[in-house]
Amino acid sequence: AQSVSQHNHHVILSEAASLELGCNYSYGGTVNLFWYVQYPGQHLQLLLKYFSGDPLVKGIKGFEAEFIKSKFSFNLRKPSVQWSDTAEYFCAVNPVEGNKLVFGAGTILRVKS
Amino acid sequence: GAGVSQTPSNKVTEKGKYVELRCDPISGHTALYWYRQSLGQGPEFLIYFQGTGAADDSGLPNDRFFAVRPEGSVSTLKIQRTERGDSAVYLCASSLIGQPQVGVLTFGAGSRLTVL
Repeated sequence: AQSVSQHNHHVILSEAASLELGCNYSYGGTVNLFWYVQYPGQHLQLLLKYFSGDPLVKGIKGFEAEFIKSKFSFNLRKPSVQWSDTAEYFCAVNPVEGNKLVFGAGTILRVKS
Repeated sequence: GAGVSQTPSNKVTEKGKYVELRCDPISGHTALYWYRQSLGQGPEFLIYFQGTGAADDSGLPNDRFFAVRPEGSVSTLKIQRTERGDSAVYLCASSLIGQPQVGVLTFGAGSRLTVL
């Protein structure tokens, strides 16, 4: 079965610090990769996705993620975080032959102003 | 509607009771998913509908859980003989089908179930 591992459960940063959230998955086949975000009091929403092509994908609000196939990783990055980035971030994987999105346990990011 | 609507937003019930949770997806979204999220965990897949049929129900934990989508739109998740371990937020999501939409889910706000 597929699984997704997120390295940190809680991250605390000051504004303007750089962010990298780790995500590794276990699945031998071709996958689509996602980061979802849940801001306080809001629904889960899509941040960015990777299907194919350029392994560096850009999403909303200045976030980007890099797919490294050899490492089964899809780490999320942002050069300079803002207080409004405080949220919980979920990495998710979907095998291309299936329809089931498998989520990691999530990383709670708190940005101090 | 504009988004995925879930009712009730909160449900408190007693152990052993029957519960129904409703999901109204985005109009035109053929795919509908139910997930369960426990405290400190990511969403856990329960069941996926494509149209009216359950295309994948491999995530339903046992036969106390059942879901229907009779007309290919609204879906109801049904839990019989509730147990305290069923307490969680039940999330519904919908999407279009086919690449590149697979995995691009629009989530509802969830139904928080508490079993006393």
